[in-house]
Amino acid sequence: EAQVTQNPRYLITVTGKKLTVTCSQNMNHEYMSWYRQDPGLGLRQIYYSMNVEVTDKGDVPEGYKVSRKEKRNFPLILESPSPNQTSLYFCASTTGGRDEQYFGPGTRLTVT
Amino acid sequence: KQEVTQIPAALSVPEGENLVLNCSFTDSAIYNLQWFRQDPGKGLTSLLLIQSSQREQTSGRLNASLDKSSGRSTLYIAASQPGDSATYLCAVEGPGTYKYIFGTGTRLKVLA
Repeated sequence: EAQVTQNPRYLITVTGKKLTVTCSQNMNHEYMSWYRQDPGLGLRQIYYSMNVEVTDKGDVPEGYKVSRKEKRNFPLILESPSPNQTSLYFCASTTGGRDEQYFGPGTRLTVT
Repeated sequence: KQEVTQIPAALSVPEGENLVLNCSFTDSAIYNLQWFRQDPGKGLTSLLLIQSSQREQTSGRLNASLDKSSGRSTLYIAASQPGDSATYLCAVEGPGTYKYIFGTGTRLKVLA
């Protein structure tokens, strides 16, 4: 089954404790992206990757890092999480620009 | 900077009604527009993708139109059902490939 998976689905952590949210897709998509969703603000793009080793900033990249060492994986790294990064995070992928995006199930992160 | 607006923010209709959801964007230099459905606590499900050269797309009871010059898209849902209750989001790609901007959504409730 074609899908985008994220792990963990739920995470509660404390300020400053480094964490990684994994994202994997099995559709051989070149493009992958991370979003955060906050009430009243909608989904905002954090980072995206056009292919292995090629990444770029979205609208809200501060406090996040990404890497794309393999085509199928695109982890999101929070090196020193803060409470304002409490949010619902989504990973997405697509074959390339101008095509349909497929989303993962989301990761709900709480930073205390 | 591209901005995407969805009005109304919430809508409640009786079962069987035909309804229209609106999406407007400020910069007409888009590559495509995509409509999604999001159920509470869940990920996004793609409904329809309209390329910038297209005027509309149809899938079952759903029809989406795009008027790039006026910066507007509508999602038409025919014969609404309680199972259609969800939040509907629109997103545009552009200006700039891989730059996705989302609206904040319309929360639809279809009453049985």
